[in-house]
Amino acid sequence: GQSLEQPSEVTAVEGAIVQINCTYQTSGFYGLSWYQQHDGGAPTFLSYNGLDGLEETGRFSSFLSRSDSYGYLLLQELQMKDSASYFCAVTSSGGSYIPTFGRGTSLIVHP
Amino acid sequence: DSGVTQTPKHLITATGQRVTLRCSPRSGDLSVYWYQQSLDQGLQFLIQYYNGEERAKGNILERFSAQQFPDLHSELNLSSLELGDSALYFCASSTGDTNQPQHFGDGTRLSIL
Repeated sequence: GQSLEQPSEVTAVEGAIVQINCTYQTSGFYGLSWYQQHDGGAPTFLSYNGLDGLEETGRFSSFLSRSDSYGYLLLQELQMKDSASYFCAVTSSGGSYIPTFGRGTSLIVHP
Repeated sequence: DSGVTQTPKHLITATGQRVTLRCSPRSGDLSVYWYQQSLDQGLQFLIQYYNGEERAKGNILERFSAQQFPDLHSELNLSSLELGDSALYFCASSTGDTNQPQHFGDGTRLSIL
């Protein structure tokens, strides 16, 4: 089967940098995605890593190390509106290439 | 706006009843996915359709069924409803290519009384 681990909650202050980690176990790994979900809203796609390394999209960056089965989402210059849940999702042949989502990390940004 | 439309937004019904949730995918997307999200839970994959055919099945109960029509819209049917079926049901669409992101609708919030 597949499993993902990410912290349940992270807190930070406006303007800071925060890192949300995700470790996974799966067979036939293909890629790792990150999604943001505001309370009760639709998940929205943030980034995708298929290869090792860092992908940068504005204030958000995502990193992948396939050898360590590990990735993280880095959020810089935090804003209040970044308060949301962040989900990592792994895609693998073992999962029929359907993204399997972690339980999510609740990010709380304080002023 | 993701381009994925789900109706209805809210649904309140009683145990034992049957409901149908509807999803129209983003223009150009051939694949539709259904997910269930319970309180403080992640997204549990239910089922995927691609161009009208079932492509993958997750933890979907036998009481639940789905289909994708020729115009690519999809319906998720939930029957013999139980209290535990209360959840947010999301539809997502994508091109179907493995490395392409999923675009989620706003969800249907189902409450079973």
